[in-house]
Amino acid sequence: AQSVAQPEDQVNVAEGNPLTVKCTYSVSGNPYLFWYVQYPNRGLQFLLKYITGDNLVKGSYGFEAEFNKSQTSFHLKKPSALVSDSALYFCAVRDRGRSGAGSYQLTFGKGTKLSVIP
Amino acid sequence: ETGVTQSPTHLIKTRGQQVTLRCSSQSGHNTVSWYQQALGQGPQFIFQYYREEENGRGNFPPRFSGLQFPNYSSELNVNALELDDSALYLCASSGGATGELFFGEGSRLTVL
Repeated sequence: AQSVAQPEDQVNVAEGNPLTVKCTYSVSGNPYLFWYVQYPNRGLQFLLKYITGDNLVKGSYGFEAEFNKSQTSFHLKKPSALVSDSALYFCAVRDRGRSGAGSYQLTFGKGTKLSVIP
Repeated sequence: ETGVTQSPTHLIKTRGQQVTLRCSSQSGHNTVSWYQQALGQGPQFIFQYYREEENGRGNFPPRFSGLQFPNYSSELNVNALELDDSALYLCASSGGATGELFFGEGSRLTVL
């Protein structure tokens, strides 16, 4: 079974400061890891993914995430937060070794609400 | 290239009724997944369709069923609605080997 933990329900950060949204995962094999963002009453927007290769992944809107295999973490980061970054962020995992039925199934965390304060 | 589109955007039903939600997948994507997102929770996998067949299912009862059509569009059907079925239902399509999902805006179902 695969699982994702987002230990913080809410993160508050001042505009212009760096932000980090934490994620840890559990999967039997090697993971594909994803971050999605959700604005109020909207669907999920894809931000970035880790497949293989460099542990630092760059994505949309200046976000990046660092894969740490030993700590089974995939924290989302941004050097300078914007008020418009305020939203709900979801980390998700998929077992890379899985194929066939349900192979695209993602397991999501419960989400972290990011509030950027002007 | 069009994205994932879902209809209706909002609907209200009463307990015991049946509902059908519709989804058009992103151009070129042959796999469609459905997720249920209850208020304050992350999305939960309902099932996945590939080549018009259910190809993986999460922990949802049989009253949740679906279809995929030759053009890769899909329907989610829920029978005998319960109050706990109130949620945002998200459709996602995928087509690449790495499998990132592209989501529609969702259909918000309220069961009274």
